[in-house]
Amino acid sequence: NAGVTQTPKFQVLKTGQSMTLQCAQDMNHEYMSWYRQDPGMGLRLIHYSVGAGITDQGEVPNGYNVSRSTTEDFPLRLLSAAPSQTSVYFCASSATGGVSPLHFGNGTRLTVT
Amino acid sequence: AQSVTQLDSQVPVFEEAPVELRCNYSSSVSVYLFWYVQYPNQGLQLLLKYLSGSTLVESINGFEAEFNKSQTSFHLRKPSVHISDTAEYFCAVSEGRDDKIIFGKGTRLHILP
Repeated sequence: NAGVTQTPKFQVLKTGQSMTLQCAQDMNHEYMSWYRQDPGMGLRLIHYSVGAGITDQGEVPNGYNVSRSTTEDFPLRLLSAAPSQTSVYFCASSATGGVSPLHFGNGTRLTVT
Repeated sequence: AQSVTQLDSQVPVFEEAPVELRCNYSSSVSVYLFWYVQYPNQGLQLLLKYLSGSTLVESINGFEAEFNKSQTSFHLRKPSVHISDTAEYFCAVSEGRDDKIIFGKGTRLHILP
């Protein structure tokens, strides 16, 4: 029973490089989201999706792109990494959006030098 | 748009003493409220939720929270804490099924021996 799977667990990038953080869930959840966690800032929502083909911006969307072509996958793209994007990233899903508990992945620790 | 305020970034409390972690929200419509817990070096997991009905909700490990609409609060309480309760606690709010879930900045609970 995999739940929410994030890859990679760790990543180091140089400024200006691009990369994609992968997120997959096997629970047939409608809702998927990406958060970043920084000390003293809690979890801040980057982007979210209420179903395949539908995405929307969260609190801190700048510098990040997402797409939702399938129910299972919700990748997060950094087009040109910046040191300010150094953070721990969590993908989370829920059965029915804002009225269901979130299931979190184990996180990706990203460092941008 | 909704928002969450956790006024205390850290709360020290002696073992077996009671504790209250404060959470206030801002919203113009009906809300759904959650508390999540993050134990050291782990991901986030749901502690308890308020969706509707009784304003007092409980978790399996002795925590409880009360939804107070007039004070726009959802404070978390436990009558007697244990060392195993050492963690960071996050309050979260949503405005509906197709709505995003927004987190507060978190409160670190330090249990003193």
